[in-house]
Amino acid sequence: SAVISQKPSRDICQRGTSLTIQCQVDSQVTMMFWYRQQPGQSLTLIATANQGSEATYESGFVIDKFPISRPNLTFSTLTVSNMSPEDSSIYLCSVVTGNYGYTFGSGTRLTVV
Amino acid sequence: GQNIDQPTEMTATEGAIVQINCTYQTSGFNGLFWYQQHAGEAPTFLSYNVLDGLEEKGRFSSFLSRSKGYSYLLLKELQMKDSASYLCAVRYEDSGAGSYQLTFGKGTKLSVIP
Repeated sequence: SAVISQKPSRDICQRGTSLTIQCQVDSQVTMMFWYRQQPGQSLTLIATANQGSEATYESGFVIDKFPISRPNLTFSTLTVSNMSPEDSSIYLCSVVTGNYGYTFGSGTRLTVV
Repeated sequence: GQNIDQPTEMTATEGAIVQINCTYQTSGFNGLFWYQQHAGEAPTFLSYNVLDGLEEKGRFSSFLSRSKGYSYLLLKELQMKDSASYLCAVRYEDSGAGSYQLTFGKGTKLSVIP
């Protein structure tokens, strides 16, 4: 299965600022997924990032708030823009590995103060 | 839309057996996953069912009934390290997007006690 390096692992940010989260995969993958996991909640898909095209966002998430880059088949970034305390969450990237497995990055624990 | 239900919390004794249930309503069903997530860590893959029946993998087994929209994860010979959240996730075909999506339940927090 793929190995994903995600960073930063955690950060504390001031409201109104932005944070960019990076995910590097050790193999080429077509699609990368970005999830949010709010405290005590399950994972919610933010967007799907395809190389060479714009990301596809789920209902409730917009590009201005969560811009995504996918410059090649092994790397993606998610930016959380103009942060507020409601954005405090764990953010995870994920890729499909093998025929059906999904592998997750180690997550970024974001606290906005 | 997609809807997944699983119990919020469960408690079981070390060495015992526990069954975590998951029910779902979805269109374009294409498989059901179970993930384990320890506090502060990323989910790790446990099992995958796409056909009806039981899949066994060591101490963990997973069952699927597509006609009933039902799955369970069975954990045998419980160990303290099994204390974690267990996430049921359904993959479905998003015909609008022309791709497969994965939707997660809210997770079942399992506490294993001595």
